[in-house]
Amino acid sequence: DVQLVESGGGLVQPGGSLRLSCAASGFSFSTYDMHWVRQSAGKGLEWVSCIGTAGDTYYPVSVKGRFTISRENAMNFLYLQMNSLTAEDTAVYYCAAGTTPDIWGQGTMVIVSS
Amino acid sequence: QPVLTQSSSASASLGSSVNLTCTLSSGHRTYTVAWHQQQPGKAPRYLMRLERRGVHNKGSAVPERFSGSSSGADRYLTISNLQSEDEADYYCETWDSTTWVFGGGTKLTVL
Repeated sequence: DVQLVESGGGLVQPGGSLRLSCAASGFSFSTYDMHWVRQSAGKGLEWVSCIGTAGDTYYPVSVKGRFTISRENAMNFLYLQMNSLTAEDTAVYYCAAGTTPDIWGQGTMVIVSS
Repeated sequence: QPVLTQSSSASASLGSSVNLTCTLSSGHRTYTVAWHQQQPGKAPRYLMRLERRGVHNKGSAVPERFSGSSSGADRYLTISNLQSEDEADYYCETWDSTTWVFGGGTKLTVL
């Protein structure tokens, strides 16, 4: 089965860091663009980052310079390193595959609070 | 970068049809759009990719009741024979070479 499973979420203090992971299975991971998308409580979807098959990376202004997306094709893993976190980063973070994307994970919750 | 505009809410009766609209910003009328469904408490689910000529590429296991069409800057998601499980938030999304953008979402209520 095609599957994306996120992990690494939790409670972190403002200014802190967190690393999210996403394990992919059931498809050719290395041939897919990969994304992180987040959703704050009661709000819509917000694109957070993308990494292409060649390792090229893209970010919106809201996270550029604080978040780093990376991938490990040999192990079928996607990562998101989040630094200098603020309360506005509190959200469910989804891993997603494909340029569109067309494969979604179940999400991992990140809470930034003192 | 492109901007997508969606109505915040829509409603329709069980068994009827509904059209949800996603409008692309000026200068981006030719862009391809994707539609995603998010049922309450669940992760998003890809529904289809919709090109400006109306060609749509549906995800696996997406019912035939879901279809798409285009007119100018508008991209439509049509749901026929509405079922209770279709009550959800629907997001359109587009992208260019460096940016991905979601619309604000439409909350569909099935009466």
